Amino acid sequence: EAGVAQSPRYKIIEKRQSVAFWCNPISGHATLYWYQQILGQGPKLLIQFQNNGVVDDSQLPKDRFSAERLKGVDSTLKIQPAKLEDSAVYLCASRPLQGSVHNEKLFFGSGTQLSVL
Amino acid sequence: DQQVKQNSPSLSVQEGRISILNCDYTNSMFDYFLWYKKYPAEGPTFLISISSIKDKNEDGRFTVFLNKSAKHLSLHIVPSQPGDSAVYFCAARRGAGSYQLTFGKGTKLSVIP
Repeated sequence: EAGVAQSPRYKIIEKRQSVAFWCNPISGHATLYWYQQILGQGPKLLIQFQNNGVVDDSQLPKDRFSAERLKGVDSTLKIQPAKLEDSAVYLCASRPLQGSVHNEKLFFGSGTQLSVL
Repeated sequence: DQQVKQNSPSLSVQEGRISILNCDYTNSMFDYFLWYKKYPAEGPTFLISISSIKDKNEDGRFTVFLNKSAKHLSLHIVPSQPGDSAVYFCAARRGAGSYQLTFGKGTKLSVIP
């Protein structure tokens, strides 16, 4: 079974530039999450999708961050304009449907490491 | 407000000995707890979990203990192996129907051969 795919693996940009990350969840996983992990911290939820609808984006800085999941499969997370404090690893995760034996677990991709200079 | 706390940033253990990683939480609504393991440049991978209705769950060398009254859980690895060297994250879920996880800051385990 293919895992959660993310690209790019690394991105270096200057502050005030824009950047986009892409995620392809595990096939059939209806729920998709974007997490931000700052160095030395645990992952922090940014946004949760169920199919192509937003379940929770309360912790997403909406003045600069946006995310979409068109067609309920792939997702993109965008930052515009980036700030120095956005330097982090951006992790995408997906979860099987409720009722699945594994539905308590999130499956993570390898992440995109963003450096804002 | 750190709802899931891992107060030990790092832990070193000799190969073959027991590793004990601790986690405390403050939110009484958490009903399901998971441990994730993370190697450098990789995403976290699920290790073991426990429901709040249990006090112990075992899977091979890994055992998780939950003390609800103390709002404390621990992960035991016996025997520890060099390949266990990684960052371990404790995570908690808040209530049925809420499939969001709140993570601790992680503990870096180093198993010395």
